[in-house]
Amino acid sequence: GAGVSQSPSNKVTEKGKDVELRCDPISGHTALYWYRQSLGQGLEFLIYFQGNSAPDKSGLPSDRFSAERTGGSVSTLTIQRTQQEDSAVYLCASSLGPSGRAGGGELFFGEGSRLTVL
Amino acid sequence: KQEVTQIPAALSVPEGENLVLNCSFTDSAIYNLQWFRQDPGKGLTSLLLIQSSQREQTSGRLNASLDKSSGRSTLYIAASQPGDSATYLCAVGDSGYALNFGKGTSLLVTP
Repeated sequence: GAGVSQSPSNKVTEKGKDVELRCDPISGHTALYWYRQSLGQGLEFLIYFQGNSAPDKSGLPSDRFSAERTGGSVSTLTIQRTQQEDSAVYLCASSLGPSGRAGGGELFFGEGSRLTVL
Repeated sequence: KQEVTQIPAALSVPEGENLVLNCSFTDSAIYNLQWFRQDPGKGLTSLLLIQSSQREQTSGRLNASLDKSSGRSTLYIAASQPGDSATYLCAVGDSGYALNFGKGTSLLVTP
């Protein structure tokens, strides 16, 4: 597609339920990132995928969070047993290569998935 | 751990003014620095990317400079317009693969 696509744009769920958030990166981008943006906070890195390499999961806040990337393209972020503190906007981004490295390319973001846990 | 700070947190200026947004970072060993714009309820849009070997980048009315040794970057916006109203974020790439973001400067340009 022309840009990074995320779905759903809004999700309201009850505490304790599982949710899945989807990201479709720009075609040809090998690097894919998930960030979380809470009200009044900066962007918090969650997880990074590069091609077929093992993902960098160092930013995941707990073992309730997991993510996968199938076929080097679409990614799904899953939050199990959601808590109220999980309420935030979850942003997906992609780039041609690792954005934070030497010669790194521009990072392109989706519109985000706003999660509200009641 | 890299800390990225943006000052001021909020700024209001009348239309037509030239303005400067500041970004500072604690570890000067960076690979690159990017400036983004975020409109309310939207994702981030990349404005300018400066590699560590570069001193500045320009796009239209925007100019971003980078001084690695002092751990600073500035985003200069010339002849500001109401449409420039948004939150501006800077982010640095260093030892990891992900960018480290500041909390942003919320800019309001009044007609």
